[in-house]
Amino acid sequence: KAGVTQTPRYLIKTRGQQVTLSCSPISGHRSVSWYQQTPGQGLQFLFEYFSETQRNKGNFPGRFSGRQFSNSRSEMNVSTLELGDSALYLCASSWVRDRNNEQFFGPGTRLTVL
Amino acid sequence: KNQVEQSPQSLIILEGKNCTLQCNYTVSPFSNLRWYKQDTGRGPVSLTIMTFSENTKSNRRYTATLDADTKQSSLHITASQLSDSASYICVVSANSNSGYALNFGKGTSLLVTP
Repeated sequence: KAGVTQTPRYLIKTRGQQVTLSCSPISGHRSVSWYQQTPGQGLQFLFEYFSETQRNKGNFPGRFSGRQFSNSRSEMNVSTLELGDSALYLCASSWVRDRNNEQFFGPGTRLTVL
Repeated sequence: KNQVEQSPQSLIILEGKNCTLQCNYTVSPFSNLRWYKQDTGRGPVSLTIMTFSENTKSNRRYTATLDADTKQSSLHITASQLSDSASYICVVSANSNSGYALNFGKGTSLLVTP
């Protein structure tokens, strides 16, 4: 079974631009979560989608948004990029929204904002 | 405020030696605790998960312990190998109104040298 895939793997943008990241979960998984990882802050939760609905949201500004499609694929969008948005963005999928359900992470998208 | 503290921040050990990583948390109400291993440039991979009633769980050379009374967990690595070099992240799940919330530690960076 294929793992979680994320595209693109690397991205370089300039301040003020916007970016869209894509995540394809493991086949059959309906829950997709997004995380931002930086050396100083570690992993920080952005939001979670289940059956095309946002079920949980972290403490990030409205510039960060996401959506999930009927095939469970998810996209994350960041508008008006800032230098501090440079990070590794990880997507994780799980079969259902269960607290004991393991989340399977993708390899991440490395975003650099210049 | 729910918090997860990991120590040490980084660790260097010789191949073949054992080591123990610590995770202290103030998450409530507690649901489960998971240890992840994250290789450089890759997404985290789950090593173990423990619920309130479990106080030890092993996965090959990795043994996790949980003391729910003192809110402490440890990850013991036996006979370390070069491939154990990675970041180890402690994640504590708490029950919430929206289902559950994940609280991440900032990780311990482990380097195993020949």
